[in-house]
Amino acid sequence: DGGITQSPKYLFRKEGQNVTLSCEQNLNHDAMYWYRQDPGQGLRLIYYSQIVNDFQKGDIAEGYSVSREKKESFPLTVTSAQKNPTAFYLCASSSEQVLFTEAFFGQGTRLTVV
Amino acid sequence: AQRVTQPEKLLSVFKGAPVELKCNYSYSGSPELFWYVQYSRQRLQLLLRHISRESIKGFTADLNKGETSFHLKKPFAQEEDSAMYYCALSGRGGTSYGKLTFGQGTILTVHP
Repeated sequence: DGGITQSPKYLFRKEGQNVTLSCEQNLNHDAMYWYRQDPGQGLRLIYYSQIVNDFQKGDIAEGYSVSREKKESFPLTVTSAQKNPTAFYLCASSSEQVLFTEAFFGQGTRLTVV
Repeated sequence: AQRVTQPEKLLSVFKGAPVELKCNYSYSGSPELFWYVQYSRQRLQLLLRHISRESIKGFTADLNKGETSFHLKKPFAQEEDSAMYYCALSGRGGTSYGKLTFGQGTILTVHP
């Protein structure tokens, strides 16, 4: 069953802790993205990666870090420097080899700081 | 820099009424424009893309390069159209290559 999988679905973090959100895809897509979805603010780009071992900051990268060691995986770490980490996080992937391709999204991870 | 603006956070219409969700963009090259939809408790998914010039679920969207707009339209709204709609842009040139940018989203509610 091809697709993009995010885990866990719900995540709780204590203040001052780092936490890593997982995103895996088996679609053989080159590009992967992390978005943050907040009520009233829509979808904001955190980081994106077009190829392995390379990634670019999005619009709200502060307090976040990523890695892209494998084509299939693009984990996002929410660090203690992120001032307001409670949000819904969406991972997506798309093919850079197909013109005008669409992005496929995971089910999301809801992070809550307690 | 690329930017997508959806001026309406909320849009309410009655069943059978026409609906138009507005989207304006800013991009220096030739963008690819998309509309994505998120139904309740479902993942975000593609509704349509400008290059296909197709109608999906009765929705159409025309790219107006002069007005830099990509408004989503449907002549007769249905209750099942109630969802969050996002306009998105993908750049294919320069430093924005591959970057997928979304608007703030519009929540459409269709009343019976």
